[in-house]
Amino acid sequence: KAGVTQTPRYLIKTRGQQVTLSCSPISGHRSVSWYQQTPGQGLQFLFEYFSETQRNKGNFPGRFSGRQFSNSRSEMNVSTLELGDSALYLCASRDDYGYTFGSGTRLTVV
Amino acid sequence: AQSVAQPEDQVNVAEGNPLTVKCTYSVSGNPYLFWYVQYPNRGLQFLLKYITGDNLVKGSYGFEAEFNKSQTSFHLKKPSALVSDSALYFCAVRDWGSSGSARQLTFGSGTQLTVLP
Repeated sequence: KAGVTQTPRYLIKTRGQQVTLSCSPISGHRSVSWYQQTPGQGLQFLFEYFSETQRNKGNFPGRFSGRQFSNSRSEMNVSTLELGDSALYLCASRDDYGYTFGSGTRLTVV
Repeated sequence: AQSVAQPEDQVNVAEGNPLTVKCTYSVSGNPYLFWYVQYPNRGLQFLLKYITGDNLVKGSYGFEAEFNKSQTSFHLKKPSALVSDSALYFCAVRDWGSSGSARQLTFGSGTQLTVLP
C-alpha cells in the first residue's frame, strides 16, 4: 500500500509570508502527527490530529496551525514566517502498530 | 513527562564489528519504544519497536534492541555493521496521557553512526 505522502518536497519562502504543507496518510489511518526537525532543536512535536480533531499540541507559537479533513489528509500552516522556521517538517501516520513517516517537506525561509 | 536520552552524538565502528547505539528513557507508565533511522534529506524509516513481551526485539536490516526495564534502557544493536548502516539513528518513546489517550512520540537527540570500511 502507498506510504505517507508529503507535498511539496522543497519550498523556499520569504520572511513574513505564510506557507501550507500537505500530508496524505496511509489509507485507513486516522491519526496524523506533525514534527519539526532542525539541527539545533532536533525533532519536536507540533500537533496530532485524529478524525479531524486536534488531540495534542506541542509548544509552538500560534503561528503554527493545522487541520485534518474527512479523508484524513492533513495540512499545516505557518503564518508570518521567520528565518528560524527553516526546517524539515515531517508528517507521521499512525495506526495501532506504530508510526510511519513521510519523506518530509524542506522549508527554507530567506 | 516523558523523555529520551541518547548519550552519544557520534558512534564510529569498523565494518564487520558489532555496533550498539544507546538509549535511555523516562515515562510515567509502560513505555512504547521505537527506533528510527534517517538518511540524508529523507524522512524517518522504522526499524523496530517494543510494546510488550520479549525484551529482545528484532527489526529490519538485521537490527535488534534490548528492552531493560530496571535500567530504563532500549539500546539498538547489530552483530555485524555494514558501511550502508551509516546514518542518523533516533530512539523514541510514547506513553499514555492521564486521559487514557496516547501521547505523542518524544525523540532523543539522535546518534550519528559511521561505519568505517
